[in-house]
Amino acid sequence: GIQVEQSPPDLILQEGANSTLRCNFSDSVNNLQWFHQNPWGQLINLFYIPSGTKQNGRLSATTVATERYSLLYISSSQTTDSGVYFCAVGYKLIFGSGTRLLVRP
Amino acid sequence: DTEVTQTPKHLVMGMTNKKSLKCEQHMGHRAMYWYKQKAKKPPELMFVYSYEKLSINESVPSRFSPECPNSSLLNLHLHALQPEDSALYLCASSQHANLGDRGVYGYTFGSGTRLTVV
Repeated sequence: GIQVEQSPPDLILQEGANSTLRCNFSDSVNNLQWFHQNPWGQLINLFYIPSGTKQNGRLSATTVATERYSLLYISSSQTTDSGVYFCAVGYKLIFGSGTRLLVRP
Repeated sequence: DTEVTQTPKHLVMGMTNKKSLKCEQHMGHRAMYWYKQKAKKPPELMFVYSYEKLSINESVPSRFSPECPNSSLLNLHLHALQPEDSALYLCASSQHANLGDRGVYGYTFGSGTRLTVV
């Protein structure tokens, strides 16, 4: 089956800093999504991005399908950005292990 | 508020109990899913209902049984659970899915049911 790897596993930022999260996948997919899980467990869909680049406020994502990776950019981070960021691929949503982000005030 | 509603939010049950988790969506999505998430782990798919067809993760034990009364509702019936089944159970729906690997997008998750088996 498809393998999904995320890096880094943990990230601590000072408020206002920028960061890049990476997702590598082992096979071609036509469905890739980024999620944010807040400390209460709610999963929020950030981007559906099988290819190309999208932006939503301080967040943007780029997927290079031919090279099997996706990047999530967080700019001017805020404490509310804390939580776990997952990428997931396929219609059955195979999740990576996540990047745990803590933004300090 | 999420557009996928799960009830209850918390559940404590004994190993001999029978209980049900409920999930409802009113977005017209044709696919609904149950995921199980253990602490500090990613969600894992348990069941998919897509266009009234059920797809099962074969590693899911028979003490979990899904029921899809209609395209807006998805229940998960629990019977004779074990303490290791304690987890966050997440329901999701998507705008489109088929049993291949094409054309899926727009996943929306509920806020989950935190289950403790004692």
